[in-house]
Amino acid sequence: QVQLVDSGGGVVQPGGSLRLSCVASGFDFKDYAMHWVRQSPGGGPEWVAFISYDGKDKNYAASVKGRFTISRDYSRNSLYLQMDSLRPDDTAVYYCARGEMAFDFWGQGTLVTVSS
Amino acid sequence: SYELTQPLSVSVALGQTATIACGGNNIASKNVHWYQQKPGQAPILLIYRDNIRPSGIPERFSGSNSGDTATLTIGRVQVGDEADYYCQVWDHTYAFGPGTKVTVL
Repeated sequence: QVQLVDSGGGVVQPGGSLRLSCVASGFDFKDYAMHWVRQSPGGGPEWVAFISYDGKDKNYAASVKGRFTISRDYSRNSLYLQMDSLRPDDTAVYYCARGEMAFDFWGQGTLVTVSS
Repeated sequence: SYELTQPLSVSVALGQTATIACGGNNIASKNVHWYQQKPGQAPILLIYRDNIRPSGIPERFSGSNSGDTATLTIGRVQVGDEADYYCQVWDHTYAFGPGTKVTVL
């Protein structure tokens, strides 16, 4: 069955960096576009970043553009989110998700807290 | 950016039908997707492309889309349907609605 396992969250100071990972299994990773979606405490989901099935196309929400970088490693069936220059309003649970226009499977999420 | 609106909350009696509206300018021209999220869990996809259920989603869940409003309908509501429900579209970016909390009376 399809499984996405998110990891890498933690507490980081403002201005710091963090790298999130998502390991995929149960499907052919190279055939699917992937995303990162976040959800701040008490809020709704907010799309963060997209990477195409072949890794050639990437897109970012305006709120993270220039600070976050999405990437994927086919040999490890893994998706990554490098987060730099973190701000307190980046505090959220971050989910990896599979899909093109809709997100048909989600990871369990990993909590990122940006605080001094 | 494309704005989506949803009622903050919907209350429905056990066994009755709940309807959740998702408003947007000419939303009928877009594909609308719906997610269910229970506390402490990741969202799950309930409906995609307006009215298609993924495998494993009960027939009690259905969707429609017309004019400026898309609608999620939950028939024969159960206690286990208590959750937050979000609509989502793609319009040059991925937009989510603010969410509707469904309470079963």
